[in-house]
Amino acid sequence: DVKVTQSSRYLVKRTGEKVFLECVQDMDHENMFWYRQDPGLGLRLIYFSYDVKMKEKGDIPEGYSVSREKKERFSLILESASTNQTSMYLCASSFGTPTTKRYEQYFGPGTRLTVT
Amino acid sequence: GEDVEQSLFLSVREGDSSVINCTYTDSSSTYLYWYKQEPGAGLQLLTYIFSNMDMKQDQRLTVLLNKKDKHLSLRIADTQTGDSAIYFCAERGSNYQLIWGAGTKLIIKP
Repeated sequence: DVKVTQSSRYLVKRTGEKVFLECVQDMDHENMFWYRQDPGLGLRLIYFSYDVKMKEKGDIPEGYSVSREKKERFSLILESASTNQTSMYLCASSFGTPTTKRYEQYFGPGTRLTVT
Repeated sequence: GEDVEQSLFLSVREGDSSVINCTYTDSSSTYLYWYKQEPGAGLQLLTYIFSNMDMKQDQRLTVLLNKKDKHLSLRIADTQTGDSAIYFCAERGSNYQLIWGAGTKLIIKP
């Protein structure tokens, strides 16, 4: 079974703090993704990575950065947390090579971040 | 552009069948997915279908695809309280991404 783990289920941080959310997958997937989920707004892609040290901006990258130093680990960084970044953060991974036809994503349990 | 649409809520009685609908826009061959999200949890892949298929069945789940209307449905037979969740429809997009619907919250009435 694919296993995607996230470093925390719940996190409370203060405005202005630097926040690290970590995600690890054990299936040797090439692609990794960070989403945020807010009521009424569905899933919004923040960043994704299709290889080590590669990253691409998603739909809402402002206020976030990412790091992928190893294939199995993808970190989301909030440089200076703000209250509007209070949300559920979901990490996912998938296979992905140019010949792949199907690239379903496998999700971690999520991190509920509250910024006060 | 690519877009996936779902209604936001569905309410059914326990024991009845639930049918969750989705429309997509990509006209090329593609994969379509259904995911389930229980409260406070991540998304779990339920099933997928390739666009050259009409139907796929897996135990209580039946996926129907109408390619002409670009309409996808997920039928859950004999709905139970454990089926209460948000169900997301997704379409394979470009650059390894999935295009997500907004999710349908399934509410089970006793």
